[in-house]
Amino acid sequence: SQQGEEDPQALSIQEGENATMNCSYKTSINNLQWYRQNSGRGLVHLILIRSNEREKHSGRLRVTLDTSKKSSSLLITASRAADTASYFCATGQGAQKLVFGQGTRLTINP
Amino acid sequence: DTAVSQTPKYLVTQMGNDKSIKCEQNLGHDTMYWYKQDSKKFLKIMFSYNNKELIINETVPNRFSPKSPDKAHLNLHINSLELGDSAVYFCASSQATGVGNEQFFGPGTRLTVL
Repeated sequence: SQQGEEDPQALSIQEGENATMNCSYKTSINNLQWYRQNSGRGLVHLILIRSNEREKHSGRLRVTLDTSKKSSSLLITASRAADTASYFCATGQGAQKLVFGQGTRLTINP
Repeated sequence: DTAVSQTPKYLVTQMGNDKSIKCEQNLGHDTMYWYKQDSKKFLKIMFSYNNKELIINETVPNRFSPKSPDKAHLNLHINSLELGDSAVYFCASSQATGVGNEQFFGPGTRLTVL
């Protein structure tokens, strides 16, 4: 079963705007990770947030986690053309297996 | 220096053939993975090895056989290829097992079965 589900499936914004992507999951987690995938490339780890954290920042990225709602959001501020990519959340199923969602395709228009 | 490398990048083959994909990581990681990404971008774990030992074996047809000759290498052999095997296959590695570890992905191998 799909553990993490991203929303929206696709998002198109103008350069300079903020982009927000959401992830919902079904079971309890110890942590949640966000990854980026550029077209034709492998995934790149962006950030990990633990279940006892509510918010985490890394450069222009801000991740929130609401364990009561079983959801997380990824905010990219002041978007750039280079941010165009697919973004995936990943949650742990058991101790060893990461389960990825389908991803949000983000397009930044110049 | 490429951290996780895969060969080949593209693989086009006929149904029924047998093919292999190779993966190497130079990060000194203990754990390696194979994932399959379908045309809808769903990424699913297939196998995971820790220090050459198989630790995750998802519901994958037994036509798929992973082999880890050492902890830096994890190869994937596929027998009797089928149309449904067409996908992008990603190798990944992490320092250790456990879902709290960041995974490093290779560039992917796009397999097309005709």
